[in-house]
Amino acid sequence: DAGVIQSPRHEVTEMGQEVTLRCKPISGHNSLFWYRQTMMRGLELLIYFNNNVPIDDSGMPEDRFSAKMPNASFSTLKIQPSEPRDSAVYFCASSLGPSHNEQFFGPGTRLTVL
Amino acid sequence: KNEVEQSPQNLTAQEGEFITINCSYSVGISALHWLQQHPGGGIVSLFMLSSGKKKHGRLIATINIQEKHSSLHITASHPRDSAVYICAVLHAGGTSYGKLTFGQGTILTVHP
Repeated sequence: DAGVIQSPRHEVTEMGQEVTLRCKPISGHNSLFWYRQTMMRGLELLIYFNNNVPIDDSGMPEDRFSAKMPNASFSTLKIQPSEPRDSAVYFCASSLGPSHNEQFFGPGTRLTVL
Repeated sequence: KNEVEQSPQNLTAQEGEFITINCSYSVGISALHWLQQHPGGGIVSLFMLSSGKKKHGRLIATINIQEKHSSLHITASHPRDSAVYICAVLHAGGTSYGKLTFGQGTILTVHP
């Protein structure tokens, strides 16, 4: 298996633009997680899905952020409109289930909002 | 107070030294993860444990559920062990079921 795949790996955009980050989990994994990593706050959970259903989105910063998982093999995280403070590395991870299972991380998307 | 606290924040060692990184948490958990993040940014899961001890090569992870404390040990440290080590706890239940909360990370530098 290729592991968790994220695209793009790097994204530079201007304030106000829409940004879409993509994730393909490991085949057979039922849980998918979106994390954000910044120098100030470290790693934070944004949202996670179990069987394509959002379970906990309490970490989503505000309405500008939205996430979808239309099927078991694809998820998106969208920021609209983007702001400079959204600059961070966004990681996607997947696991067999939400609990008691190892999470496998993607390589991350480094987002810079100018 | 953070739910997950790691110590030390920074650690410098000479090659060959025995290293210990500590993690304390304040919430009920179903499991604890130790993660490694190299300068390139990728995150790798080292261990997931809910009791006792696990060993993989030169790495050993222990957890004491009663004391809400875990340690990561590296024996015979090597410069390639230089990385950020992150402790993360998996919440046991309630509205946070399945959620991972992370420590701030320990930056380890091993000099040759």
